[in-house]
Amino acid sequence: SQTIHQWPATLVQPVGSPLSLECTVEGTSNPNLYWYRQAAGRGLQLLFYSVGIGQISSEVPQNLSASRPQDRQFILSSKKLLLSDSGFYLCAWRQGDGGYTFGSGTRLTVV
Amino acid sequence: DAKTTQPTSMDCAEGRAANLPCNHSTISGNEYVYWYRQIHSQGPQYIIHGLKNNETNEMASLIITEDRKSSTLILPHATLRDTAVYYCIVPNYGQNFVFGPGTRLSVLP
Repeated sequence: SQTIHQWPATLVQPVGSPLSLECTVEGTSNPNLYWYRQAAGRGLQLLFYSVGIGQISSEVPQNLSASRPQDRQFILSSKKLLLSDSGFYLCAWRQGDGGYTFGSGTRLTVV
Repeated sequence: DAKTTQPTSMDCAEGRAANLPCNHSTISGNEYVYWYRQIHSQGPQYIIHGLKNNETNEMASLIITEDRKSSTLILPHATLRDTAVYYCIVPNYGQNFVFGPGTRLSVLP
């Protein structure tokens, strides 16, 4: 069966520090991968998606970047965090035109 | 995505059926209706999806009107653990999912 792993579950980082969030998927190959962010009390905002290794599409310009070094690995990064980067970050995968499966999320607080 | 409209919030008594409506009047013939829910501080969870026929699984039932312009998600016996935000999504074929504000369902004891 397919599983998706996200870590860490929570993270507190100072302003200006770097960020690296990792997401891995097991039990599937060539999935579409997604990073969403949810600010406190707000809806889900699609940040990046990837249809294959090295292929990244950005939905909104921001202080973040994404990479897909392996088929089932998706990484969200920042060189210098801003206070506005705080939020709940969710990774998801999708096979073909099926539904999305989400990870358990990372709650990031920038202080 | 085809535009969806959901009530902002709803209450339901524990043990009763929760009926969550969604309007999607601009849906086209090959677009599915998906329902997800998000319990506080968790990732969204898939519930059910359908094209034109009514669907039922272990979590819920999905009733789609004959003209496909609206649907209703039914939780037959709501429990306190069903308190969550419920999202109705109608993605354009091959396009990414867009999550709107959803309906905040509160199941009351």
